[in-house]
Amino acid sequence: ETGVTQTPRHLVMGMTNKKSLKCEQHLGHNAMYWYKQSAKKPLELMFVYSLEERVENNSVPSRFSPECPNSSHLFLHLHTLQPEDSALYLCASSQNRGTNEKLFFGSGTQLSVL
Amino acid sequence: GDSVTQMEGPVTLSEEAFLTINCTYTATGYPSLFWYVQYPGEGLQLLLKATKADDKGSNKGFEATYRKETTSFHLEKGSVQVSDSAVYFCALSDSGSQGNLIFGKGTKLSVKP
Repeated sequence: ETGVTQTPRHLVMGMTNKKSLKCEQHLGHNAMYWYKQSAKKPLELMFVYSLEERVENNSVPSRFSPECPNSSHLFLHLHTLQPEDSALYLCASSQNRGTNEKLFFGSGTQLSVL
Repeated sequence: GDSVTQMEGPVTLSEEAFLTINCTYTATGYPSLFWYVQYPGEGLQLLLKATKADDKGSNKGFEATYRKETTSFHLEKGSVQVSDSAVYFCALSDSGSQGNLIFGKGTKLSVKP
């Protein structure tokens, strides 16, 4: 148990659906992240929030929309996804944003887009 | 830009064998280097790290030494166990990546009894 909880663990959605992924941490961390993990590719950083403010968006398509309502919660809203968006989506947190910070990861949401 | 290259997997070893997973990096600054491990069905966990040249990170019998001259951070363990079966990720973080972690593709290790 790393202290970062993601729900749901598995999600199957059609290309016209709208769904949301949820991430929760009660570690008192100030930075939260969304990563995408696809087979045979490096983890891709999608979004970074620091003190509830989005500080980075790595050229992610607008069909992915993050939300950070408070320091403990992070959401990823999904709409009109494509089959190539099927992947494991990982949430992580760290005390602060910096070069030596240890990241704590959730177990991920395995997303399948049909 | 910054990048990390890991040896391709999967790697299959017998219990008590010696493990080496190669990792090299390219960075614009002086990065911190990390190994993360992902056990089946779980998220990534920090295994060890090193923040400057010649530092050695170690944890759970795993070691890696920060070699600036060869830009490498190879992971080693003298005697692997079945419970070490997992995917291992090398990563770096530095000012060139705005402090964000840049990961390699991961190396899957399977240890047979």
